[in-house]
Amino acid sequence: EAQVTQNPRYLITVTGKKLTVTCSQNMNHEYMSWYRQDPGLGLRQIYYSMNVEVTDKGDVPEGYKVSRKEKRNFPLILESPSPNQTSLYFCASSFGVSGANVLTFGAGSRLTVL
Amino acid sequence: LAKTTQPISMDSYEGQEVNITCSHNNIATNDYITWYQQFPSQGPRFIIQGYKTKVTNEVASLFIPADRKSSTLSLPRVSLSDTAVYYCLVGPDSNYQLIWGAGTKLIIKP
Repeated sequence: EAQVTQNPRYLITVTGKKLTVTCSQNMNHEYMSWYRQDPGLGLRQIYYSMNVEVTDKGDVPEGYKVSRKEKRNFPLILESPSPNQTSLYFCASSFGVSGANVLTFGAGSRLTVL
Repeated sequence: LAKTTQPISMDSYEGQEVNITCSHNNIATNDYITWYQQFPSQGPRFIIQGYKTKVTNEVASLFIPADRKSSTLSLPRVSLSDTAVYYCLVGPDSNYQLIWGAGTKLIIKP
């Protein structure tokens, strides 16, 4: 089944404890992206990647890192999480970035930072 | 700033046809119009996409006038399970980003 898989789905952690949210897609998509969703603010892009070893900042990159060493994986790294990073996170992928490309989203990862 | 404007919320009843209109006055020549559906705590899911005129698939229709400055998502004979948030997007922009607005929260009543 074509899908984007995120792990963990739920995580409660404490301020400053490094964590990684993994994202993997099995559709051979070149484009991958991370979003966070907060009540009343909609989906905001954190980072995106056009292809392997190519990443770029989205609207809200502060406090996050990403890497794209393989085409299928795009992990989101929080080096020193803070409470304002408590949010619902989505990974998405598509074949490309033109307007005709459709994003496939993961199920989401709900992160709570205490 | 979102490139699209949609109603914040709409109500309807089971069995009715629902039309959600999206305004995108500054749509670019290369932009497609794409609609996604999102249930609580789930990732958005693609519904339909179009460039001009009318597009229909098994779940919805998309009407786009000639000037492409707006579009209407039509959901035929809705059910309670169609209660969700619906997002209209155009783009991406020159930074390869899709700007997500607040969407339209559709509530279907029995």
